[in-house]
Amino acid sequence: GDSVTQMEGPVTLSEEAFLTINCTYTATGYPSLFWYVQYPGEGLQLLLKATKADDKGSNKGFEATYRKETTSFHLEKGSVQVSDSAVYFCALRFGGSQGNLIFGKGTKLSVKP
Amino acid sequence: GAGVSQSPSNKVTEKGKDVELRCDPISGHTALYWYRQSLGQGLEFLIYFQGNSAPDKSGLPSDRFSAERTGGSVSTLTIQRTQQEDSAVYLCASSPSGGKNNEQFFGPGTRLTVL
Repeated sequence: GDSVTQMEGPVTLSEEAFLTINCTYTATGYPSLFWYVQYPGEGLQLLLKATKADDKGSNKGFEATYRKETTSFHLEKGSVQVSDSAVYFCALRFGGSQGNLIFGKGTKLSVKP
Repeated sequence: GAGVSQSPSNKVTEKGKDVELRCDPISGHTALYWYRQSLGQGLEFLIYFQGNSAPDKSGLPSDRFSAERTGGSVSTLTIQRTQQEDSAVYLCASSPSGGKNNEQFFGPGTRLTVL
């Protein structure tokens, strides 16, 4: 079935370090891809999305590119901040009668000053 | 504007009791989703309502779980004869439609603890 696999955490980085969180997916069609973030004590919120192959989603210095050939959507940020500490979820969605999001297990990021 | 709201924020119940969890979606959103977030299972899809169509119940883990959406707005998730493994955070989300590009907006969740 359709699924999302993301790197296991926790990931601990120093401030200003480069971040990559790997995400790969298995899907029978052409889904949209999403990164959601959950900050401590807060609800899930959309970080960025890409709706077709080669699209790049970006927000708050984070980027991810929809790579159909490698079925990947890796999240990157050039210089992380303490305020980026959160749990990050990669997800896919087809829409229509299959409108639900399919999530990866989540990756916890801790950024130390 | 108002986001997705859920109530109660916390619910503690005894094993075997029934519980009802409520979700108020963003006004005008036709799509509504329930998910469950637990330590061992991550984020799992439970049920999906889209307009007047029959709901997609494919994610419900057992027949003890059911959900309604009245008037295309408020939704209630009911868990009958609760078990300890039902302990989790139950998240509701809404979306302008079921289209694959639309963002789902999540509520703060209801933390359910079954003793």
